[in-house]
Amino acid sequence: KQEVTQIPAALSVPEGENLVLNCSFTDSAIYNLQWFRQDPGKGLTSLLLIQSSQREQTSGRLNASLDKSSGRSTLYIAASQPGDSATYLCAVIGAEGGNKLVFGAGTILRVKS
Amino acid sequence: NAGVTQTPKFQVLKTGQSMTLQCAQDMNHEYMSWYRQDPGMGLRLIHYSVGAGITDQGEVPNGYNVSRSTTEDFPLRLLSAAPSQTSVYFCASSPDRFRGYTFGSGTRLTVV
Repeated sequence: KQEVTQIPAALSVPEGENLVLNCSFTDSAIYNLQWFRQDPGKGLTSLLLIQSSQREQTSGRLNASLDKSSGRSTLYIAASQPGDSATYLCAVIGAEGGNKLVFGAGTILRVKS
Repeated sequence: NAGVTQTPKFQVLKTGQSMTLQCAQDMNHEYMSWYRQDPGMGLRLIHYSVGAGITDQGEVPNGYNVSRSTTEDFPLRLLSAAPSQTSVYFCASSPDRFRGYTFGSGTRLTVV
């Protein structure tokens, strides 16, 4: 059974810092990995999608990498801002049938001004 | 495009009542899923569908039914609501295994 772990569970940084969120998964047979952002009381917003054949994806100040063989992904946020404060969720779609997303528990990020 | 639309946004039910959470997408996506999100438990898959007429159980299916009569709609039915079903419910859709999921804004359900 696929399991996804996110470290750290919570992170508090001053504005302007660069930071890294970590995601690991137990079964390397995945189709893709997706990073989401969730603001309190809101839905999930997709940030980046990395297909299994890709190594990284970038969008603005965000960069996500994927090392499928070691079962790891990182989300790098450059020059953090208070508006980046949210919960960040990592999810994978495994090679089993059904196109099912398996989520990590998330990292709660607070960027202090 | 509206994306994934969930209704209602909020609902309070009494124990034993039944109701249907609606989910509709206008992107012609084949895959649709229902998740529940609970504090400390993360997001867990309830039911999913790989196309019209095809549904299957996820991790926590007990107490819920689904059907997929059209590509666009994927309603979630609570048969007899219990306090343990108090949660936030999210519907999501995806075109295939390679292009990721789009989520609805969620339904916050309280069972008293």
